[in-house]
Amino acid sequence: GQNIDQPTEMTATEGAIVQINCTYQTSGFNGLFWYQQHAGEAPTFLSYNVLDGLEEKGRFSSFLSRSKGYSYLLLKELQMKDSASYLCAVMDSNYQLIWGAGTKLIIKP
Amino acid sequence: DVKVTQSSRYLVKRTGEKVFLECVQDMDHENMFWYRQDPGLGLRLIYFSYDVKMKEKGDIPEGYSVSREKKERFSLILESASTNQTSMYLCASTPSGEGSPLHFGNGTRLTVT
Repeated sequence: GQNIDQPTEMTATEGAIVQINCTYQTSGFNGLFWYQQHAGEAPTFLSYNVLDGLEEKGRFSSFLSRSKGYSYLLLKELQMKDSASYLCAVMDSNYQLIWGAGTKLIIKP
Repeated sequence: DVKVTQSSRYLVKRTGEKVFLECVQDMDHENMFWYRQDPGLGLRLIYFSYDVKMKEKGDIPEGYSVSREKKERFSLILESASTNQTSMYLCASTPSGEGSPLHFGNGTRLTVT
């Protein structure tokens, strides 16, 4: 079966760096997405990786290793507004999105 | 900015009622999707549509139907609501093209009593 694994919850301190991991086993691979979802709101797009390596976008970076079935989202200089759930989703060989359950990130002052 | 609008933010319905959830997008996207989101589970795809009058079943279509009569509007219908359909429902749209991200509406929290 197809599976996306990410930690259920993480806690970090304001101003610090946090890495949220995502491992996947899917039938084929056509890209990996990260979304941010604040409580009670819609998910919003953060990043897309289809080739191996690091994509940097301001304070957020996303890394992909296709051979390891692994990605991470790196958040630097954490701010209180970064408290949210972070969703990992993989597009399989049929171009269908497979979603992880999300990682709830709690930022403490 | 793309705007995806869901008609209701909160809905409370009784078991057995027919329920309509409406979704409208303003960016001429070809593809539209209905998901449900439950605690501890990933987003689960109910139905999707690649074109007007076209629909495809997702992972959990049972108990649901959809309608896409116009490109901008995608409706989700619960023919006879049941308590296990209490959930957050998210509509999304995306243009065709590899790597195009989904744009989500704000969601409808449906409670069936």
